[in-house]
Amino acid sequence: GESVGLHLPTLSVQEGDNSIINCAYSNSASDYFIWYKQESGKGPQFIIDIRSNMDKRQGQRVTVLLNKTVKHLSLQIAATQPGDSAVYFCAENIGRGAQKLVFGQGTRLTINP
Amino acid sequence: KAGVTQTPRYLIKTRGQQVTLSCSPISGHRSVSWYQQTPGQGLQFLFEYFSETQRNKGNFPGRFSGRQFSNSRSEMNVSTLELGDSALYLCASSLGGQVGSGNTIYFGEGSWLTVV
Repeated sequence: GESVGLHLPTLSVQEGDNSIINCAYSNSASDYFIWYKQESGKGPQFIIDIRSNMDKRQGQRVTVLLNKTVKHLSLQIAATQPGDSAVYFCAENIGRGAQKLVFGQGTRLTINP
Repeated sequence: KAGVTQTPRYLIKTRGQQVTLSCSPISGHRSVSWYQQTPGQGLQFLFEYFSETQRNKGNFPGRFSGRQFSNSRSEMNVSTLELGDSALYLCASSLGGQVGSGNTIYFGEGSWLTVV
């Protein structure tokens, strides 16, 4: 069935460095992707999204890249800060316009001082 | 404006009981969906409601049900609780219609359910 997977379950980076979190998806019909950040004990927090007709989208300190050829999504976080420590999920909407997200397993990002 | 609000935040139930969880979407949002999050299965889609109608459903047994009211608020119910139903139940809302940039999906803080 459809699935969204992450290449690395954990990622540790030095404060101030850039981090890249990767995600593979399998549903070629998906046209909308979202990255969420989840801190301990909280719900997923929206970070950035991208539609399938785009290759790249930038936000504040974050960039999402989409490669539809290899069904790959990545989240780049620039100049990481301690507050960036969390679990990051990519999600693929398969609801054909309606809400139906398929989530990856998540990557735990740890920022070292 | 206020985000997605879920109540209760924490609850403990006994096997065999039933539970009802409530969700108030962001003001103006008409689509509400529910997800279950467990350490073993991750985040899994339960169902989605729009204008009081269920539009999408995940692969959960019939013990899991939901509904949406005319003010877009939603409830989900789990009957005959099992130990494996212990999870964080998350509600998400969006404007409705075609999801996408400018009409994205926002989550609440969740309801932690423990079944003993």
